[in-house]
Amino acid sequence: AQSVTQLDSQVPVFEEAPVELRCNYSSSVSVYLFWYVQYPNQGLQLLLKYLSGSTLVKGINGFEAEFNKSQTSFHLRKPSVHISDTAEYFCAVSVGSGNTGKLIFGQGTTLQVKP
Amino acid sequence: KAGVTQTPRYLIKTRGQQVTLSCSPISGHRSVSWYQQTPGQGLQFLFEYFSETQRNKGNFPGRFSGRQFSNSRSEMNVSTLELGDSALYLCASSRDRNYEQYFGPGTRLTVT
Repeated sequence: AQSVTQLDSQVPVFEEAPVELRCNYSSSVSVYLFWYVQYPNQGLQLLLKYLSGSTLVKGINGFEAEFNKSQTSFHLRKPSVHISDTAEYFCAVSVGSGNTGKLIFGQGTTLQVKP
Repeated sequence: KAGVTQTPRYLIKTRGQQVTLSCSPISGHRSVSWYQQTPGQGLQFLFEYFSETQRNKGNFPGRFSGRQFSNSRSEMNVSTLELGDSALYLCASSRDRNYEQYFGPGTRLTVT
């Protein structure tokens, strides 16, 4: 069965420092990969996606991620975080080409940006 | 373009009752998926609908059901509510089955 592991449940970081949120997935078939962010009492907002093509993906709010097929990873990075980036971040995978209707999510990483 | 809308935003129900939640996808989107979010289990896939047909189903009991209408709007129903059904229920839509999903704000269901 496919699964997604977010290696850190909480990541504290100071404002303007770089951050990396780690995500590994298990799947033997082709995958589509996503990162979502959830602010308190809100739904999920799509940060970025990997469907095909370049393995370095740029998203909104200065975030980027790199798809590494050999390591089955899709880590999220930002070179300089802001207080407003404090939120919960979810890595998700959909399995099988031509089907993004079923997403499998990691358990989430809480990013805490300190002043 | 308006985003995914879900109604109602908050619900309080009693054990044994049933509930219906509604989701209106982004205009032009044909695929709708539902997810349950709880602190203990995280985000879990419930089901996916495309062109009024259920295409995928998660590992939930038969008390959870859904449907999609010809205008792509979707409803999910939970019968015989249990305390463990208390959760945030999220709906997501996508243009087609190989595009990214966009989520609504969710319906917060509390079962007492």
